[in-house]
Amino acid sequence: AQTVTQSQPEMSVQEAETVTLSCTYDTSENNYYLFWYKQPPSRQMILVIRQEAYKQQNATENRFSVNFQKAAKSFSLKISDSQLGDTAMYFCAFMKHALFASGTYKYIFGTGTRLKVLA
Amino acid sequence: NAGVTQTPKFQVLKTGQSMTLQCAQDMNHNSMYWYRQDPGMGLRLIYYSASEGTTDKGEVPNGYNVSRLNKREFSLRLESAAPSQTSVYFCASSASSTSPTETQYFGPGTRLLVL
Repeated sequence: AQTVTQSQPEMSVQEAETVTLSCTYDTSENNYYLFWYKQPPSRQMILVIRQEAYKQQNATENRFSVNFQKAAKSFSLKISDSQLGDTAMYFCAFMKHALFASGTYKYIFGTGTRLKVLA
Repeated sequence: NAGVTQTPKFQVLKTGQSMTLQCAQDMNHNSMYWYRQDPGMGLRLIYYSASEGTTDKGEVPNGYNVSRLNKREFSLRLESAAPSQTSVYFCASSASSTSPTETQYFGPGTRLLVL
C-alpha cells in the first residue's frame, strides 16, 4: 500500500529565513504525482506546488521549491524568505490511480507538519 | 466567484442524530469529493462524484451517504451519527477526477462534534 510520511510534526523558522519540510513516500508505481498543500488557520487547503514523477527537474513556485529524489522516494519542500503568512499546516500528498474506480485518481495525504514563522 | 462553499461551519450532534453537510462549487467542475480530517492524520476520502449523476465510495465510506444534487452541489449525510464521526469535513472539487494534473480546490471545512 502507498504511504506518505512526514516525520516533522512541528517546525518553526524566523521570518526571512529558509526552512525545509521533509516528506517520504512508498510506492511501487513508476508514474505518479506529488503535491504540497498548505492549510492556514482558516483551514482551507491551498495547493502550493506539484511535481510529476516523470520530470527530473524540481518544481518551483516563487519562494517555494521542492527537492524531488525519486530513487530515495523523497519529496521535500523548501520555503525561502519565510513570511508570517506562511504559518500553516503543510501536507504532502501522493496521487495515484484509485483502485476502486477505473480512471479515477485519488490523493494519499501525509499527517502534516505544522510550521510557525516567528517575527 | 466564491469557489467551494460549505455549510454549516460548525455543528454539534448527539449520538444517533442525523444531519446533512452541504457543499457547492461555482467553478463548473465535473468532480466533487468529501474528505474527513482527524487529528494526527491526513485527509481521507469518504465519497466522491466523478461527474453529475455518479457517486463512488472512497476509503472510509461507512456511516455516510452522499447525493450529487446537480453539477454544483454535493451533499454528505450522516444517518445516525456516532462519536467516531467527530471530525473536520472538507469538500473539494476539480475539473476532472481522471487527470492527476487537475487541481482540487477545497472548501473551508465543517467541524462536527458528536457527543
